[in-house]
Amino acid sequence: NAGVTQTPKFQVLKTGQSMTLQCAQDMNHNSMYWYRQDPGMGLRLIYYSASEGTTDKGEVPNGYNVSRLNKREFSLRLESAAPSQTSVYFCASSLDRGSEQYFGPGTRLTVT
Amino acid sequence: GENVEQHPSTLSVQEGDSAVIKCTYSDSASNYFPWYKQELGKGPQLIIDIRSNVGEKKDQRIAVTLNKTAKHFSLHITETQPEDSAVYFCAASGANAGKSTFGDGTTLTVKP
Repeated sequence: NAGVTQTPKFQVLKTGQSMTLQCAQDMNHNSMYWYRQDPGMGLRLIYYSASEGTTDKGEVPNGYNVSRLNKREFSLRLESAAPSQTSVYFCASSLDRGSEQYFGPGTRLTVT
Repeated sequence: GENVEQHPSTLSVQEGDSAVIKCTYSDSASNYFPWYKQELGKGPQLIIDIRSNVGEKKDQRIAVTLNKTAKHFSLHITETQPEDSAVYFCAASGANAGKSTFGDGTTLTVKP
């Protein structure tokens, strides 16, 4: 039981490049989330998917898109990376809305 | 939307002392209040949670108290140990909210 897995672990992009962060969970959870964590600012929600087939914006969605590919997988895409998107990105999942979230190990992204 | 404030931002205690971290929230509809611990280089992990029909919950050295009238909840760690050193986050969510709002985190240092 791997829990929540994220790929890649580290990534360096140049301004304007695009990339997709992958997330998968094997706990049969309904809800999945993408957060970014910047120093001193805690976890800020980018997008979430309350259930398969639905996605909603969080607190900081600008510059990102998401896809809930199936119940297991939830990807985050940066279409044109900017230095302000340098951050640590965490994916999480929960059985239902408003329940314990399980976090992945994070992706450390640097945009130069 | 929900707003969660967490205090203090940093806390340093001697091994064996108690540590208390406090959070306030704004949305009276919130009914689920988890606490997460994040160790360096890892994703947050749930350590204890409480729902609005309970005033206090305890798990060995860790306890959480909730005051719904005043809209605040607290994490109490007794007999602190060096391995308790980490960043702690509180969060608040409602059953229909689809998402949790996190506090900005408290960096706890336990000095041996």
